[in-house]
Amino acid sequence: AQSVTQLDSQVPVFEEAPVELRCNYSSSVSVYLFWYVQYPNQGLQLLLKYLSGSTLVESINGFEAEFNKSQTSFHLRKPSVHISDTAEYFCAVSDGFGNEKLTFGTGTRLTIIP
Amino acid sequence: DTGVSQDPRHKITKRGQNVTFRCDPISEHNRLYWYRQTLGQGPEFLTYFQNEAQLEKSRLLSDRFSAERPKGSFSTLEIQRTEQGDSAMYLCASSSMTDRSSYNEQFFGPGTRLTVL
Repeated sequence: AQSVTQLDSQVPVFEEAPVELRCNYSSSVSVYLFWYVQYPNQGLQLLLKYLSGSTLVESINGFEAEFNKSQTSFHLRKPSVHISDTAEYFCAVSDGFGNEKLTFGTGTRLTIIP
Repeated sequence: DTGVSQDPRHKITKRGQNVTFRCDPISEHNRLYWYRQTLGQGPEFLTYFQNEAQLEKSRLLSDRFSAERPKGSFSTLEIQRTEQGDSAMYLCASSSMTDRSSYNEQFFGPGTRLTVL
């Protein structure tokens, strides 16, 4: 069975400071990893994904995540956060290339302090 | 295309009543998923369809839960004899198996928040 652990339920960060949101997974098969973001009063949106190839993946708004197979991690990072990054971030794993069920972590609430 | 829509957005019901939620996926998306999200938790997978075929339903929480997608377009999720523990946000998502640009992405709706009194 697959599982995802997000150890940090809340992360407060000063504006323009760097941030890392941690995600660890367990799976007995090939994994496909995702970060979804939920802005206040909005639905879940895909932020970035790792399917294969380069272990470093990037989003259009400056976030990046690195797949580390030996540490079974897929941590999300951003070098300088903005107020608009305030949201809840969910890490997810799929064994079906993203087109079958997603197993989500419990989420990390990122709060940006002005 | 306005994205995945769900109706109603909020539902308050009394314990023991039946409720039905509707999900309209993005047009031409052939896969449709249902998830449940309780407070402080991530979404939990319930079931999914490819066109009208229900490919997995083992994660439906009990036999009180059922889902249909009769014509391969919209889907309904029904909960019979609701219990207070059913209070949650019910999320619907859809994806395309043919659009290469978004092949691996599930697009989520805004959810239906159920409160069982």
